[in-house]
Amino acid sequence: AQSVSQHNHHVILSEAASLELGCNYSYGGTVNLFWYVQYPGQHLQLLLKYFSGDPLVKGIKGFEAEFIKSKFSFNLRKPSVQWSDTAEYFCAVTPGFNDYKLSFGAGTTVTVRA
Amino acid sequence: SAVISQKPSRDICQRGTSLTIQCQVDSQVTMMFWYRQQPGQSLTLIATANQGSEATYESGFVIDKFPISRPNLTFSTLTVSNMSPEDSSIYLCSVESAGGFGEQYFGPGTRLTVT
Repeated sequence: AQSVSQHNHHVILSEAASLELGCNYSYGGTVNLFWYVQYPGQHLQLLLKYFSGDPLVKGIKGFEAEFIKSKFSFNLRKPSVQWSDTAEYFCAVTPGFNDYKLSFGAGTTVTVRA
Repeated sequence: SAVISQKPSRDICQRGTSLTIQCQVDSQVTMMFWYRQQPGQSLTLIATANQGSEATYESGFVIDKFPISRPNLTFSTLTVSNMSPEDSSIYLCSVESAGGFGEQYFGPGTRLTVT
């Protein structure tokens, strides 16, 4: 069974600091990659996704992620965080072209201090 | 995007009882999913519910414990049966977006506490 690892459980930052959240997966074939975010009191929602093509993908709110196939990684970045980026971030993977079952990482709680 | 609602939003139940969670979507969807998020842990897929067929359960989850109904294309229920404190979790439903490949819209979740 595939697994998804997120390296940080809790990250605390000051506003304007840069953010990078690590994500590695253990599936050797074609994968679809996602970052989901859950803001306090809100639904889990899609931040960005990678299916194919340019390995650097841009999402909402200034976030981007880079797919590095050789490292089985899909790290999330934001150059300058805001207080409103305080949330829980989940990396998720589905394998192949016809498998819709998401496997989630454990999640990273990001706290941005004003 | 799809708008998903769940009822109840939270509940406190006694061990040995059952709770049925409802999931309503504002559009017709083929696949609906049920997840569990135990305290301090990630989301784990319980089962996939397609309209008109039996739900497909993931390893470690069985129909007797988590019966699912999918009577139409906008509604599903998940029952947590014969509950124990270990069932205390957040239960979420989701639907696949038009983008496919795992892109899903999630409901707000039902926070269940079993005493």
